[in-house]
Amino acid sequence: GQNIDQPTEMTATEGAIVQINCTYQTSGFNGLFWYQQHAGEAPTFLSYNVLDGLEEKGRFSSFLSRSKGYSYLLLKELQMKDSASYLCAVRDLKFSGGYNKLIFGAGTRLAVHP
Amino acid sequence: EAQVTQNPRYLITVTGKKLTVTCSQNMNHEYMSWYRQDPGLGLRQIYYSMNVEVTDKGDVPEGYKVSRKEKRNFPLILESPSPNQTSLYFCASSSPVDQPQHFGDGTRLSIL
Repeated sequence: GQNIDQPTEMTATEGAIVQINCTYQTSGFNGLFWYQQHAGEAPTFLSYNVLDGLEEKGRFSSFLSRSKGYSYLLLKELQMKDSASYLCAVRDLKFSGGYNKLIFGAGTRLAVHP
Repeated sequence: EAQVTQNPRYLITVTGKKLTVTCSQNMNHEYMSWYRQDPGLGLRQIYYSMNVEVTDKGDVPEGYKVSRKEKRNFPLILESPSPNQTSLYFCASSSPVDQPQHFGDGTRLSIL
């Protein structure tokens, strides 16, 4: 079946580093996305990994290991505004036509404290 | 400004009263999709469209209909809403199909 697992909640301190893990089991794989979603708002795109390794984008980095079905999002120098839910989503190709079926995890709610 | 616009943002209605949630994007995207978001379940895809007149079911299509007569619009239709369709709904679009999706601001539906 298809399954994406993330921790439900995490807390961290302002200025610290936090790692949010995501494990997945899907029938196909063609990329993993991380989205940020503030309460009551739309998800916004953070990062995309399709090959193994680390992708860095400012304070945010995302890592992928396809063989392990594992990704993490690393947030450095945490700020209060980083308090949000972080959604892991896997693109599961249905057929070669590139159907963009995104399977979302339930999200990790991160609370950043002073 | 590039955006996906959903209307209404909030709606409280009663069981059985047909309703339509509109979605419009101004980015000329081919791919559009509808999701519902429920606590503890994450975003689940209802229907998607690869282009004009091309639509298909997602994971939770029961009780919903869609149409794609124009590239920019992708309305979600609830012919006979029921309380289990109370949820937060998001429309999204992208182009090409494998690019990150842009989400609308969401529509919170309450079916009494």
